Parts: sequence; C-alpha cells; structure tokens
Amino acid sequence: DIQMTQSPSSLSASVGDRVTITCRASQSISNFLNWYQQKPGKAPKLLIYTASSLPSGVPSRFSGSGSGTDFTLTISSLQPEDFATYYCQQSYGTPPYNFGQGTKLEIK
Amino acid sequence: QVQLVESGGGLVKTGGSLRLSCAASGFTFSDFYMTWIRRAPGKGLEWVSHISSRASTIDYGDSVRGRFTITRDNAEKSLYLHMNSLRVDDTAVYYCARWNWNEASLDYWGQGTLVTVSS
Repeated sequence: DIQMTQSPSSLSASVGDRVTITCRASQSISNFLNWYQQKPGKAPKLLIYTASSLPSGVPSRFSGSGSGTDFTLTISSLQPEDFATYYCQQSYGTPPYNFGQGTKLEIK
Repeated sequence: QVQLVESGGGLVKTGGSLRLSCAASGFTFSDFYMTWIRRAPGKGLEWVSHISSRASTIDYGDSVRGRFTITRDNAEKSLYLHMNSLRVDDTAVYYCARWNWNEASLDYWGQGTLVTVSS
C-alpha cells in the first residue's frame, strides 16, 4: 500500500499569512493527489484534485502543486474561514486510496 | 443538488454487528463508484471500502477486510456497510462519499454517522 506523510502535523498562522502544507507519497503517484479541508463537526470538502485542479467554487487563494512523490498545498492569504484540518489523499492505481495523517491549521 | 445522508450508527458491544446506510439524491447513483471513509476520535481519515457502479468491483482496507461488507441497491439509490465482529478501534464517524472517476477524487461527502463500540 502507498503511505502518505503530511507535514507539519499542526501549524499556527495569522489571517493574511501565506501557508504551505506538504505531502509525501511512499512511491510515485504521478499527479493522483487530492486535498480535502475538514472543519469540526463537518464533512470533508474537496479542495484540490489531481494535484493542482480546483473544483468549482473553491477560492483561488488555494493552490496545489507537485508530481511524483512530493506535493504542496498553498493558501496565499489566510482567511478566518480557512482554519481547519487539511488532508492529502493519493488516488493512484488500485485501492486503498490512503490519506495523510492531517494538518491542523490554527489561529496564532 | 447532490446529497448523501448516512444513518444506522449507534452504540454496540465488541463482537457485535451494525449496518450503515447512505441515501443518495441529486445525481444518477447507478453511474458512480461509492466509498466509505471513517474518522476515529483524535485521528485522521481512513479509507474503508469502495464499490463500483454495478458492484462488480469491491475493495476493502486491511483493517476491515473479512469483517465488513459493502453493498449497494441502485434502484433504492442506497449504499450500505455491513459491519461484523466490531472492535473498539472501529469507533469512528463513518462517511459515505461519491467517487468521481474523471477527477480521481471524492467530490461529495455525507455528514457522517457515529459508530461507538464499547467493551
């Protein structure tokens, strides 16, 4: 199975900051990497698919990059509603399509 | 709009069984793979199982294989997870989600249903 490792596991930042979260796969997954945002008590929401594509309705301050084994999620200017937990997920080949352990983004 | 609504969670003793349901609406259910994911207290998301549109392809995560069974009823637009031999570490919120093949991602999620397994 492909293992996903996110860093950092938690992060404190201020409104307006630029934030980057990284995700590393245990083997090459091409660009089959997704990012999800989860707020307390809510369902996860798809933020980025295939490494860099934004679903309709996701603000442009979110961006993703990377291929192979190393990927990043960047929030260009943090907004109050962005404080949440973020997960990467690989969707390469056959299941299981494992998630990273999550990065909790908190207000400084 | 796409809606996924889970039900069937609750409190059960170790070794017991439970069946979760996920009612879908707002899209052609029979055209999509569907997935179960869970989040244990204080932990991250764990991929549990998925089923193809006509149930010809089914996969499970290692921690549930042999104990859980995923099924679907396309006429009823419903997804199920039959959970047997439940363990304390199966305690989690269980989500159903739609798999979008074109985007290789889980594009819609339900709100989840809580399963608590006690000893």
